[in-house]
Amino acid sequence: AQKVTQAQTEISVVEKEDVTLDCVYETRDTTYYLFWYKQPPSGELVFLIRRNSFDEQNEISGRYSWNFQKSTSSFNFTITASQVVDSAVYFCALRENTGNQFYFGTGTSLTVIP
Amino acid sequence: DAGITQSPRHKVTETGTPVTLRCHQTENHRYMYWYRQDPGHGLRLIHYSYGVKDTDKGEVSDGYSVSRSKTEDFLLTLESATSSQTSVYFCAITPTRGPGNTEAFFGQGTRLTVV
Repeated sequence: AQKVTQAQTEISVVEKEDVTLDCVYETRDTTYYLFWYKQPPSGELVFLIRRNSFDEQNEISGRYSWNFQKSTSSFNFTITASQVVDSAVYFCALRENTGNQFYFGTGTSLTVIP
Repeated sequence: DAGITQSPRHKVTETGTPVTLRCHQTENHRYMYWYRQDPGHGLRLIHYSYGVKDTDKGEVSDGYSVSRSKTEDFLLTLESATSSQTSVYFCAITPTRGPGNTEAFFGQGTRLTVV
């Protein structure tokens, strides 16, 4: 079974629109860690944020914000006032406390149209 | 930026030949990983290492082997390359202070084409 699901394969928005990328995860661990990564067209994987399971506070960093809800096993990512430079593939990932590996979703390709 | 170097960055090889990809880190991190990235599949774990000579399989390990004789180097070998192994391969590391409370840092990737 897929541990991390990113149901949105591709999203297109017009510049300055807000966009939310969905991430749903599945785990039996009570302690776990969630991540978002950005992969721009150049191909590298850039770490954006880590959220620990015991910390449900939402986080805001500039135009980026993350909404972590354990009740729905979701860790959604919102970009406010999107810009062309936000065009990339975004990956959500899970790491369980009982294991060593990271589980990645299949990614959401975001295109911001000028 | 984490000190991770993958080599080669690009390689074209023929079906049936062995291929070795190298991941080198300068961070002295304990955990190292090899992932492959394919359209529609995201990143899938091939093998990982939790110390020198300590390795374990990931979800897509068939046809691959790994070795870690030094902390800084993690080698991925395709024993006999097949076209299904055409992919982009990423190495990743996580720090030594704990396995579960930290993010992974990735290398720049190796684009492998098997013809």
